[in-house]
Amino acid sequence: GQNIDQPTEMTATEGAIVQINCTYQTSGFNGLFWYQQHAGEAPTFLSYNVLDGLEEKGRFSSFLSRSKGYSYLLLKELQMKDSASYLCAVMDSNYQLIWGAGTKLIIKP
Amino acid sequence: GAVVSQHPSRVICKSGTSVKIECRSLDFQATTMFWYRQFPKKSLMLMATSNEGSKATYEQGVEKDKFLINHASLTLSTLTVTSAHPEDSSFYICSARGTSGAETQYFGPGTRLLVL
Repeated sequence: GQNIDQPTEMTATEGAIVQINCTYQTSGFNGLFWYQQHAGEAPTFLSYNVLDGLEEKGRFSSFLSRSKGYSYLLLKELQMKDSASYLCAVMDSNYQLIWGAGTKLIIKP
Repeated sequence: GAVVSQHPSRVICKSGTSVKIECRSLDFQATTMFWYRQFPKKSLMLMATSNEGSKATYEQGVEKDKFLINHASLTLSTLTVTSAHPEDSSFYICSARGTSGAETQYFGPGTRLLVL
């Protein structure tokens, strides 16, 4: 079967760095997405990786290793507003999105 | 875990026809379902929120007469794109929130619509 695994919840301190991991097993691969979702709001797009390596975008970076079925989202200089759920999703060979359950990130002062 | 399915996974239709997309929560009851459209730059746009047994709430700029939403049961919501046009071609994604009231949404795999 197809599945995406990511931690249910993580806690980090304001100003610190946190890495949210995502491992996947899917039938084919057409890219991996990271979304941020604040409670009660629609998800906002953070990144899309289709090739191996690190993509940096400001305080957020996303890494992909297709051979390992692994990605991580790295958040630097954490701010209180980064408290949210982070969703990992993989597009399979049929261009269907397989979603992780999301990681709830709690930022403490 | 909570599973949300969508049917069909992809559909090609002629301009002017209507297309119905189903969103089902397979192992939980969803009081609220959301319909999103994914744009080429990967962003998700919330189109509407539907609560079981009541009318959907549409986001600003979304034509409710064109995108008909029905949430007839706690496990099924449908989105009907009426009189489809090529610019309606997109990836439509639904999500569902359970009856517990928690904020977690579970997302469906999406439906790719191509209007010729």
